[in-house]
Amino acid sequence: DQQVKQNSPSLSVQEGRISILNCDYTNSMFDYFLWYKKYPAEGPTFLISISSIKDKNEDGRFTVFLNKSAKHLSLHIVPSQPGDSAVYFCAATGGGADGLTFGKGTHLIIQP
Amino acid sequence: GAGVSQSPRYKVAKRGQDVALRCDPISGHVSLFWYQQALGQGPEFLTYFQNEAQLDKSGLPSDRFFAERPEGSVSTLKIQRTQQEDSAVYLCASSLLGSNEKLFFGSGTQLSVL
Repeated sequence: DQQVKQNSPSLSVQEGRISILNCDYTNSMFDYFLWYKKYPAEGPTFLISISSIKDKNEDGRFTVFLNKSAKHLSLHIVPSQPGDSAVYFCAATGGGADGLTFGKGTHLIIQP
Repeated sequence: GAGVSQSPRYKVAKRGQDVALRCDPISGHVSLFWYQQALGQGPEFLTYFQNEAQLDKSGLPSDRFFAERPEGSVSTLKIQRTQQEDSAVYLCASSLLGSNEKLFFGSGTQLSVL
C-alpha cells in the first residue's frame, strides 16, 4: 500500500518552460514534505521542503505547493534548464515516524 | 569528509554469501538511516540510529538483516545468507539532529546477488 504516490513515471518539458511534478499522499499523519533530486549513480539530494502549516514554499526557480485537503503537492520549476534533467522523488514524514516515505519518482527530461 | 561516504560502491555476491556494507556519515551528524532502493522504486526505510542507539529497525525485511553503529559514527549493514531478492541499491543517509530534518545521502552500494 503506497502512502506516497507519483503517478507520472516520466515527464518531458522544453527548456525554458515550466515543469510541474505531482505527488499524492494517503497518510493524514504526514506533516512535512520534501522533494529530492537524483542523478544516475548518485544518491538523492535535497531540493526543497514544506511544512503542513504552509501552502507554498519558494526557493529560486523551485516552488512547492501543498493542498492538504486534497492530500496533494506539486513541485514547479521555472524556467526549466537542461541540468534539471533527473529523477525527482517526493517524500513525506510525520506522526512520529522515523525517516522518510518516498514515492517511486518521476524522471524529468528537459529537451533543448 | 564533506559528504556521506559508502563502500563498496558495487558488490556482487553469490546466493547464500554474507555481505557487509559500510557507511561513513557526515562528521557530527547525530542521525543515520539506511534505505533500500529496488530498481524502478523509491528508497524504502530500513533502520534508524541516533548516535549509537538503534531507535527503529521496523523496516528491516528479515532477521538476515542486521545494522550497527557502535561508536555513533560509522555504521555497517550486514546481510546474512543473501537471496536474489536482496539485490538493490543500499543508501545511507545522515542528518545533523532529528529525523525530520533533510537527509544527506551517500551514493549507495549496488548489491547484486547471483
